[in-house]
Order: sequence, then structure tokens, then C-alpha cells
Amino acid sequence: AQTVTQSQPEMSVQEAETVTLSCTYDTSESNYYLFWYKQPPSRQMILVIRQEAYKQQNATENRFSVNFQKAAKSFSLKISDSQLGDTAMYFCAFISQDNYGQNFVFGPGTRLSVLP
Amino acid sequence: GAVVSQHPSWVICKSGTSVKIECRSLDFQATTMFWYRQFPKQSLMLMATSNEGSKATYEQGVEKDKFLINHASLTLSTLTVTSAHPEDSSFYICSARGGSGAYNEQFFGPGTRLTVL
Repeated sequence: AQTVTQSQPEMSVQEAETVTLSCTYDTSESNYYLFWYKQPPSRQMILVIRQEAYKQQNATENRFSVNFQKAAKSFSLKISDSQLGDTAMYFCAFISQDNYGQNFVFGPGTRLSVLP
Repeated sequence: GAVVSQHPSWVICKSGTSVKIECRSLDFQATTMFWYRQFPKQSLMLMATSNEGSKATYEQGVEKDKFLINHASLTLSTLTVTSAHPEDSSFYICSARGGSGAYNEQFFGPGTRLTVL
């Protein structure tokens, strides 16, 4: 079974600074997808960024980028130029590419506070 | 991205009653829908997976007779909490996926807060 670990329950960062959220996962599969989701106080889950495991190039979306280390099974999220609106819970998630109807495996989450 | 709605957004009910939560995909056909439960300050816990026209697949430890899931159409899935008790109070989130492959993005509903008195 796959597991996702986020070792930082809470983090804080000053506005405009850069912060990195850690995520490690365990799987025996070679084809999968990794995601970072954001859950603000509204509790709506919002996709931040996604990475296909077969791609070596790290995904980027504006101020958000990942450091995907497949051999180390590590998938960290870097937020540059942090904004107050980035305050939220961040969940790392894994999904297998191989199985029909496969569901997400979510990490426990990291609560990020962006300080003015 | 695609939109998934949930109704109601919050509900308060008395112990022993049943509550139905609807999850709709508004602008795409959802072949698969997922139901999650989230306790305060915790992660999402998958309860069940439903495919249109077939019985839901429940995760270990989730009572099928208590949490009834129906995926009657490609745009609607319902979760009915039967004979609700205070311990069923939680935040319930659905998500929907348009295709069968994992590469098809899942879109999440805004969630439903259930409080059982």
C-alpha cells in the first residue's frame, strides 16, 4: 500500500519570502502522479500543482514549483513570493497510474501561515 | 477547471434521523465519484468510491449500511447518513473524475458540514 508523509505539521513564512513544504511517499509502483492541494479556511480543495512520475522535469505553476526526486521518493513544494492568500492547509497526494478507479492517498497535511 | 457542487453546504440534524448529501458535476460527466470524510485539523479520509450505475466500493472500516451511496447518473452521486449519531458529525467532501484513468483530474466539491445533535 502507498503512504504519504508530511513531516511538518505547521509552518510559517513572512510575506514575500520563500517557503518549502516537504513530502515523502512510499510505493512499489513506477507509474504514478503526485499532487499538491491547498485547502484554505473555506475548506475548498484547490489543485496547486501536479507531477507525472515519468517526467524528469519539475513542474512549475507561477510562484509554485516542485522538487521531485523519484529515487528518494521525495516531492517538495516551493512557494516563492509568499502571499497572505497562500495561508492554508497543504496536502501532498499520490495516485497510481495503473489501476482503474484508483483513489488519492493524501498526506496528513501542513498548515502554512503567511505572516504580514 | 470543472465545477462540482455539494448540497447542502451545512446541515444540523437530530440523532436518529437520516441525512442526504448531494454531489453534482455541473459541466462534465463524472464516471467516478469519491466520498471523503475530514475531521478537524486532519487529512481527508476516503470513505467510498462509486462508479455510475454500479455499487459503491467502501473502504475498510466504513459501514455500508450506515453510509449509503448512490451514483445514479453521470452527474449525481448521493451520500445518505442513516440513523445519524453525534459521532457522525464531520465535514464530508466529494470529488468527481471525468475519465477512468488516473490522469484524469479529480475535482472537489466545497464540502458539507454535518452536525448531529
